[in-house]
Amino acid sequence: EADIYQTPRYLVIGTGKKITLECSQTMGHDKMYWYQQDPGMELHLIHYSYGVNSTEKGDLSSESTVSRIRTEHFPLTLESARPSHTSQYLCASSEPGNYGYTFGSGTRLTVV
Amino acid sequence: QKEVEQNSGPLSVPEGAIASLNCTYSDRVSQSFFWYRQYSGKSPELIMSIYSNGDKEDGRFTAQLNKASQYVSLLIRDSQPSDSATYLCAVKNTGGFKTIFGAGTRLFVKA
Repeated sequence: EADIYQTPRYLVIGTGKKITLECSQTMGHDKMYWYQQDPGMELHLIHYSYGVNSTEKGDLSSESTVSRIRTEHFPLTLESARPSHTSQYLCASSEPGNYGYTFGSGTRLTVV
Repeated sequence: QKEVEQNSGPLSVPEGAIASLNCTYSDRVSQSFFWYRQYSGKSPELIMSIYSNGDKEDGRFTAQLNKASQYVSLLIRDSQPSDSATYLCAVKNTGGFKTIFGAGTRLFVKA
């Protein structure tokens, strides 16, 4: 049973549109992450958060923003979608310390 | 050189055999090591974590870590067709926030 939820599961959107990908977790984890994954490729870190009001950029963050107003909620926003943003976006959270991640089911984004 | 390297496969083994998946990493100060399983079209699922040299066993899975050689492996005993998936190796530094993922090894278990 997934304790971290992503919506929408699939999204097809036109170029130039603003979109927000939602991520919520019920585990009370302070650490949350957004990763981007193309088929057969590594996961690349986009943004991460230590906790409420804390956000940091990862490797691929220049065209997106995140917010962390509540512990359980960590949305990702693309201000102007482009075809190069077509990918799978994975949200994850983890307990304090050196523990692994729990991933959401992902959002598969297609920009046409 | 990639920070975490895995053979992309596919690795094909018969049902009931041992599948051996390997991973090397470049950062010597890495402290935490993870294996995730990812079925096609699904998100990764954590299956093993290991933090010290040696072996760690959990059911049919054994993770092996050799920090001197910067090498992590995952053994799957009595492989089942349901084990067919991509296995991602992930490495994290103590105190660091980033976990680096390999591109994964595709495993195919033939019935």
